[in-house]
Amino acid sequence: DAGVIQSPRHEVTEMGQEVTLRCKPISGHDYLFWYRQTMMRGLELLIYFNNNVPIDDSGMPEDRFSAKMPNASFSTLKIQPSEPRDSAVYFCASSLKSEQYFGPGTRLTVT
Amino acid sequence: GESVGLHLPTLSVQEGDNSIINCAYSNSASDYFIWYKQESGKGPQFIIDIRSNMDKRQGQRVTVLLNKTVKHLSLQIAATQPGDSAVYFCAEKEVWNFNKFYFGSGTKLNVKP
Repeated sequence: DAGVIQSPRHEVTEMGQEVTLRCKPISGHDYLFWYRQTMMRGLELLIYFNNNVPIDDSGMPEDRFSAKMPNASFSTLKIQPSEPRDSAVYFCASSLKSEQYFGPGTRLTVT
Repeated sequence: GESVGLHLPTLSVQEGDNSIINCAYSNSASDYFIWYKQESGKGPQFIIDIRSNMDKRQGQRVTVLLNKTVKHLSLQIAATQPGDSAVYFCAEKEVWNFNKFYFGSGTKLNVKP
């Protein structure tokens, strides 16, 4: 298995632009997580899905952030409009039981 | 969520020595803990886990110790190697949350040759 796949690996955008991050979980995993990692705040859980249904989105910082999981093999995290303070590494992870498998992350820079 | 913190942000050890990375947690309702390793430019990688009904668990060169009385978790790495250089995170889960983990701030381990 290729593991969790994220795209793009790097994204540089200007403030106010829409950003879409993509994730393909490991086949057969029924949980999908989106995390944000910064030096200041560490690794934060934004939202997670179970069987494509959002279970807990309490970590989503603002209405500018939205996440979808239209099917078991694909999820998106969208930021609209983006702001410089959104700059971070965004990780997607998937799991079947408790162990979460992380993707390589998307490094987002908003200028 | 509850805070999960690490005492030492950076730990430097000599190759071949044993390393001990510590983690304090504050949520007495946590029943499951995981240690992750994150190498530069990569996502966190599972190392070892432990449930609250245990106080010790061993893996290959790694041992996790759990002291529920003082809410303390440690990761011991035997015969530390250069490939162990990374940031290590502890993560905790509350008993009623099947899959929601809170991560600590991380400890950077530097292995000197």
